[in-house]
Amino acid sequence: AQSVTQLDSQVPVFEEAPVELRCNYSSSVSVYLFWYVQYPNQGLQLLLKYLSGSTLVKGINGFEAEFNKSQTSFHLRKPSVHISDTAEYFCAVRQGGSEKLVFGKGTKLTVNP
Amino acid sequence: ETGVTQSPTHLIKTRGQQVTLRCSSQSGHNTVSWYQQALGQGPQFIFQYYREEENGRGNFPPRFSGLQFPNYSSELNVNALELDDSALYLCASSLVQGSWEQFFGPGTRLTVL
Repeated sequence: AQSVTQLDSQVPVFEEAPVELRCNYSSSVSVYLFWYVQYPNQGLQLLLKYLSGSTLVKGINGFEAEFNKSQTSFHLRKPSVHISDTAEYFCAVRQGGSEKLVFGKGTKLTVNP
Repeated sequence: ETGVTQSPTHLIKTRGQQVTLRCSSQSGHNTVSWYQQALGQGPQFIFQYYREEENGRGNFPPRFSGLQFPNYSSELNVNALELDDSALYLCASSLVQGSWEQFFGPGTRLTVL
């Protein structure tokens, strides 16, 4: 069965520093990859997605991610974070032919002044 | 355009009771998925409904059931509640079956005492 591993449960950074949130998944066969953000007491908002094509994908709020098939990774990056980026971030994978999204356990990003 | 809405926002039940959670899909969306997000975990797929029929189910027992109505709104029913059912329940709608993007509602926080 497909699984998603987010290697860091918590990532504290200072404002304007770069950040990378790591994500690995178990199978590279026909997968679609997503990053979602969840602010306190809210639902999930799509940050970006990889469906096919260019392995570097850009999303909202200045985030980007790179699909690496050989390493089965899809790490999320931002060159300079803001206080408002403080939230929980979830990596998710959907396998072709399946309707369900499989999520990682999440990474809590805290941006300190 | 109205987004995905869920009701109620919060709910407290006791073990053994039954609960119904409601979801209104985003306008024009005919597919709805339900997820359970336990504290400190990523969302887990419960099931999906497409045109009023169940279309895919995760690893949840039969006491978790659902309905989708002709207007594409949906209900999640849980019978014989257990303490471990305490979680945030998320509803997500998508434009068509197999669509890559799911739009999430804010969730219903269920507490089972």
